[in-house]
Amino acid sequence: EPEVTQTPSHQVTQMGQEVILRCVPISNHLYFYWYRQILGQKVEFLVSFYNNEISEKSEIFDDQFSVERPDGSNFTLKIRSTKLEDSAMYFCASRRQGVNEKLFFGSGTQLSVL
Amino acid sequence: GENVEQHPSTLSVQEGDSAVIKCTYSDSASNYFPWYKQELGKGPQLIIDIRSNVGEKKDQRIAVTLNKTAKHFSLHITETQPEDSAVYFCAAPSGGYQKVTFGTGTKLQVIP
Repeated sequence: EPEVTQTPSHQVTQMGQEVILRCVPISNHLYFYWYRQILGQKVEFLVSFYNNEISEKSEIFDDQFSVERPDGSNFTLKIRSTKLEDSAMYFCASRRQGVNEKLFFGSGTQLSVL
Repeated sequence: GENVEQHPSTLSVQEGDSAVIKCTYSDSASNYFPWYKQELGKGPQLIIDIRSNVGEKKDQRIAVTLNKTAKHFSLHITETQPEDSAVYFCAAPSGGYQKVTFGTGTKLQVIP
């Protein structure tokens, strides 16, 4: 079965530093997402991306966050100035078409902000 | 937006017994309800989903039921096995229906 791949699996950074989390969605998928999960809590929506633009974003996704699909295969999440509360597992996901299609998740990037 | 409530938060069953996890949702227009299984250190994996035009769907030991009038849906796992131990999340579409909102999760422990 095709997979969404995420790198790195773990990222440790100092507060205030910029981080970029990388994802390679499944090749024929059109909708891309970032979710995050703070330890022991539920999976929270951050942002959805379609047709090279953000289609929806949550309250969590403030000006410190940005997403990009720079080359037609990678999908990145950038946090400009990390805060302690950004520590979480970040999941990339993709789907082929609309909401009733299966959503495939990557294995996640564990971000630790010190 | 959509509000998805999930119960129980933890569930322990003996191997071979059944497990039932229940969710409610708030948006009556929602029409697609997936269930995800998350094993330790991994991303959520879809295990079964149901669309609003059916009331029940079964896949081997896993079944999902949907009651649109009451706005709740349930996951049923029969003949549980130790490898069923994981966190299970229900979800429902929300917002512009391009995303899903997850429930709070149920940690299922199957005791051998």
